[in-house]
Amino acid sequence: DAMVIQNPRYQVTQFGKPVTLSCSQTLNHNVMYWYQQKSSQAPKLLFHYYDKDFNNEADTPDNFQSRRPNTSFCFLDIRSPGLGDAAMYLCATSRDAQGDGYTFGSGTRLTVV
Amino acid sequence: AQSVSQHNHHVILSEAASLELGCNYSYGGTVNLFWYVQYPGQHLQLLLKYFSGDPLVKGIKGFEAEFIKSKFSFNLRKPSVQWSDTAEYFCAVRPNYGGATNKLIFGTGTLLAVQP
Repeated sequence: DAMVIQNPRYQVTQFGKPVTLSCSQTLNHNVMYWYQQKSSQAPKLLFHYYDKDFNNEADTPDNFQSRRPNTSFCFLDIRSPGLGDAAMYLCATSRDAQGDGYTFGSGTRLTVV
Repeated sequence: AQSVSQHNHHVILSEAASLELGCNYSYGGTVNLFWYVQYPGQHLQLLLKYFSGDPLVKGIKGFEAEFIKSKFSFNLRKPSVQWSDTAEYFCAVRPNYGGATNKLIFGTGTLLAVQP
């Protein structure tokens, strides 16, 4: 089945130690999104790629970076995780900018110790 | 800034009770509206969506939602809930800017617990 896969499901990292979360898709969708969801809060868009074009949200901290080496993969890099970055990170795709609703991955729950 | 409000954070119902979850948004232009559900340990799944046409939208698993433009609302309803409906429900709005990538803006979610 076509899907969006996020690895790992759970990630524990040390304060200040760089960490990378990955997302892959078999849908061949043009757009890939990264959302951050903290406990009891709405998922918040960090950035998205439309093909190779990177679009950062204005309030996304510089600590968060992303890479999309090809259509199928997208990575979220947190350069120096702080305790406040502990959250669920959701990857989503959509066929195009105007298309139907998104397809979400299962998320990666990040713990910072 | 655009925002989405879900007024009920936690809802507890008995099986067979009727459900209505509120969702209001702040955006004056054209919007697309969605309800997503997240079952325990699973990813977000689309329940239903509204783009245009009949403001009463039917989704999967017996859910429906009504778009009331004058009230900026898109409330989710189900006449008779089941234990398996226990999940978190998210309302989402996509303002249609036209041309640019249209992004989903989520509400904070409503946690529904259905007691057998």
